[in-house]
Amino acid sequence: AQSVTQLDSQVPVFEEAPVELRCNYSSSVSVYLFWYVQYPNQGLQLLLKYLSGSTLVKGINGFEAEFNKSQTSFHLRKPSVHISDTAEYFCAVSAPTGANNLFFGTGTRLTVIP
Amino acid sequence: DVKVTQSSRYLVKRTGEKVFLECVQDMDHENMFWYRQDPGLGLRLIYFSYDVKMKEKGDIPEGYSVSREKKERFSLILESASTNQTSMYLCASRPGQGWDQPQHFGDGTRLSIL
Repeated sequence: AQSVTQLDSQVPVFEEAPVELRCNYSSSVSVYLFWYVQYPNQGLQLLLKYLSGSTLVKGINGFEAEFNKSQTSFHLRKPSVHISDTAEYFCAVSAPTGANNLFFGTGTRLTVIP
Repeated sequence: DVKVTQSSRYLVKRTGEKVFLECVQDMDHENMFWYRQDPGLGLRLIYFSYDVKMKEKGDIPEGYSVSREKKERFSLILESASTNQTSMYLCASRPGQGWDQPQHFGDGTRLSIL
């Protein structure tokens, strides 16, 4: 079975500072990895995904994530955050084990402070 | 772009009522999902469907049922609503056999049971 751990439930950061949101996963098979963002009162929107190839993945809104197989991590980073980045961020893993194959972390609420 | 539409953004019902939440997608996706989202718990899968009239229980199916009579529509039914079912409900869809594909989400229905 797969599982996802987001260690930080809340991350406050000042505007224009860098941020890292942590995600670790466990799986006995190869997985695909996703980060989603949820703005207030909206559904989830895909930020980026790792399928294969380069371990550094760039997404929308200046975010990027690095896949580290040995540490089973997929941390999300942005070098300089904006007020508009305030949202909840979810890490998810997908495995080829049937239709029900997207497993979510519990989310990290990023608050950007002016 | 894939469009997943949930019929209501906000809904208020009374305990004991039968409640229907509707979801429609326009991309001919085989797989559809219903989640509930609660603070600190992330997204929990209630039910999913991999084809018309086919359904599978997720992690928390108790108190819920689903219906998929047409490929584009997936309904979540609360048979007898209770206050502990007050939550945000999210519908998602994804292509069949597309375990490397992200799920596409609707904007959610915030349901309050009084």
